[in-house]
Amino acid sequence: AQTVTQSQPEMSVQEAETVTLSCTYDTSESDYYLFWYKQPPSRQMILVIRQEAYKQQNATENRFSVNFQKAAKSFSLKISDSQLGDAAMYFCAFEGSQGAQKLVFGQGTRLTINP
Amino acid sequence: NAGVTQTPKFRVLKTGQSMTLLCAQDMNHEYMYWYRQDPGMGLRLIHYSVGEGTTAKGEVPDGYNVSRLKKQNFLLGLESAAPSQTSVYFCASSYFNPLGANAFFGQGTRLTVV
Repeated sequence: AQTVTQSQPEMSVQEAETVTLSCTYDTSESDYYLFWYKQPPSRQMILVIRQEAYKQQNATENRFSVNFQKAAKSFSLKISDSQLGDAAMYFCAFEGSQGAQKLVFGQGTRLTINP
Repeated sequence: NAGVTQTPKFRVLKTGQSMTLLCAQDMNHEYMYWYRQDPGMGLRLIHYSVGEGTTAKGEVPDGYNVSRLKKQNFLLGLESAAPSQTSVYFCASSYFNPLGANAFFGQGTRLTVV
């Protein structure tokens, strides 16, 4: 079974600075998808960024980028120029390409932005 | 409005009581899911459905039952609630691979069992 591990329960960063959230996963599949979700206090689940395992190039969405290391099974999220609105719970998630569609989530990292 | 609606938003149950959580989607999605979210454990899959009339167990199915009699509705039942089922429950639906990029999530149901 796939597992996703986020080893940082909490992180904090100064406004306008850069922060990196860590995520590792375990799978025997070679083709899969990885995601980062943001969950603000409203509890809404917001997709931040996605990465297909077959793509070598790291995904980027505006101030959000990932460092995908397939051999190391690592998928970190970098947030540049942090803003107060980035404060939220962030979840890393894995989805395999075999069998039924299912998302496996990590434990989450609570990100605080200090003004 | 298109989306996933969960009913109720909040509920307090006494140990041993039963209840049903309703998830409704109006997007004609085939796939529907129930997750629970607990502090320090992320979201864990309880049950899921890949189409009307089908259900399957997820990671933490014990103590829960589900039904998908109509394509638009996915019901999660607790027959005899326990304090360990205190959690926030999320429903999600999707129509296309990959799930993670195409899922619509409900706003969650906060359930407290006392």
